[in-house]
Amino acid sequence: QKEVEQDPGPLSVPEGAIVSLNCTYSNSAFQYFMWYRQYSRKGPELLMYTYSSGNKEDGRFTAQVDKSSKYISLFIRDSQPSDSATYLCAMSAPPGNTGKLIFGQGTTLQVKP
Amino acid sequence: DADVTQTPRNRITKTGKRIMLECSQTKGHDRMYWYRQDPGLGLRLIYYSFDVKDINKGEISDGYSVSRQAQAKFSLSLESAIPNQTALYFCAIGRVNEQFFGPGTRLTVL
Repeated sequence: QKEVEQDPGPLSVPEGAIVSLNCTYSNSAFQYFMWYRQYSRKGPELLMYTYSSGNKEDGRFTAQVDKSSKYISLFIRDSQPSDSATYLCAMSAPPGNTGKLIFGQGTTLQVKP
Repeated sequence: DADVTQTPRNRITKTGKRIMLECSQTKGHDRMYWYRQDPGLGLRLIYYSFDVKDINKGEISDGYSVSRQAQAKFSLSLESAIPNQTALYFCAIGRVNEQFFGPGTRLTVL
């Protein structure tokens, strides 16, 4: 069993839809939770970072962490064609803040005009 | 200028050849990482370095070696390339909660 599981999709939605992207994990020691966005033929770029549990909002993006269920989500409101990309969740655990990230497989999202 | 640059961007090589992928950064970060990305598998950590004298194996280091020539430069070598090392390779810099990725090197081993 992989430490981090992510539905690979692809996920196709109409412009303006609310998108929900999810990851589950098995390691209860994970404390740092990130979402990266990767456009085709580009490197991943950090979208959101959350430490421990709770919600975080940034514009149209909301990240949620439920440590009791070992489940994290990224919501995109009013989705735009420019949101079409692969979204990767990533997690890391102390101690030592080593910077080692464990990534999900990535979910490919297409937002149709 | 990009914060993280990788060379080459594309490379086709043959089984058994030695190949080096290079990464350089302009941000002054101590921490640098090499990942590989395969379809359906996400990114997996190959090696990471906290400074010039501190290099550590990641999840999938077999068949790879690295060199941290300076704070700004971190190279990944495949001593004897094999076809299942065909993948997209990314260099990254930064702390656990904020890593910056380079544009990637697409490597094909025939």
